[in-house]
Amino acid sequence: ETGVTQTPRHLVMGMTNKKSLKCEQHLGHNAMYWYKQSAKKPLELMFVYNFKEQTENNSVPSRFSPECPNSSHLFLHLHTLQPEDSALYLCASSHQTGVNTEAFFGQGTRLTVV
Amino acid sequence: AQTVTQSQPEMSVQEAETVTLSCTYDTSESDYYLFWYKQPPSRQMILVIRQEAYKQQNATENRFSVNFQKAAKSFSLKISDSQLGDAAMYFCAYREYNNNDMRFGAGTRLTVKP
Repeated sequence: ETGVTQTPRHLVMGMTNKKSLKCEQHLGHNAMYWYKQSAKKPLELMFVYNFKEQTENNSVPSRFSPECPNSSHLFLHLHTLQPEDSALYLCASSHQTGVNTEAFFGQGTRLTVV
Repeated sequence: AQTVTQSQPEMSVQEAETVTLSCTYDTSESDYYLFWYKQPPSRQMILVIRQEAYKQQNATENRFSVNFQKAAKSFSLKISDSQLGDAAMYFCAYREYNNNDMRFGAGTRLTVKP
């Protein structure tokens, strides 16, 4: 248990559905991240939030919409996804700066788009 | 953009023996962090070891140690006395000193044979 909790663990959705992924951390971190992990590909950084402000958006399609209401919670809203969006979505958090800057990861949400 | 390369998609080691996983990275920065993460079948990404680029001494955590060659931009992980529980995907990661953008390699799948 790393202190980062993601829900749901598994999600199957149709291409016309709207769903949300949730991430929660109580580690006192001020940076939160969404990564996409597809088979046989490096982890792809999608979004970064520092102190609730989005500081990075790596050319992610608009069908993925992040939300960070406070430093402890991060959401990823999904709508009109494509089958190629099926992947493991990992949330992580870290201190923004300083010595202990490693990211702590949740267990991920396995998303299947049908 | 910084890139992280892991040239070994798969490695195997006999239980109790030693194995070295390779990682190279590309950067023009002088201050940065390097990490090795382990991802077992449970999907939880767990930090194995961390190295600050300004430190010349190689990091060590119990059976895990790194060989950090800054000039060569190489950061290999050595696992001594391998155990069955070490079987997992191992990811090398890079992060700049004042940037939350953590980049990962494609991973190396380690198998431990009893």
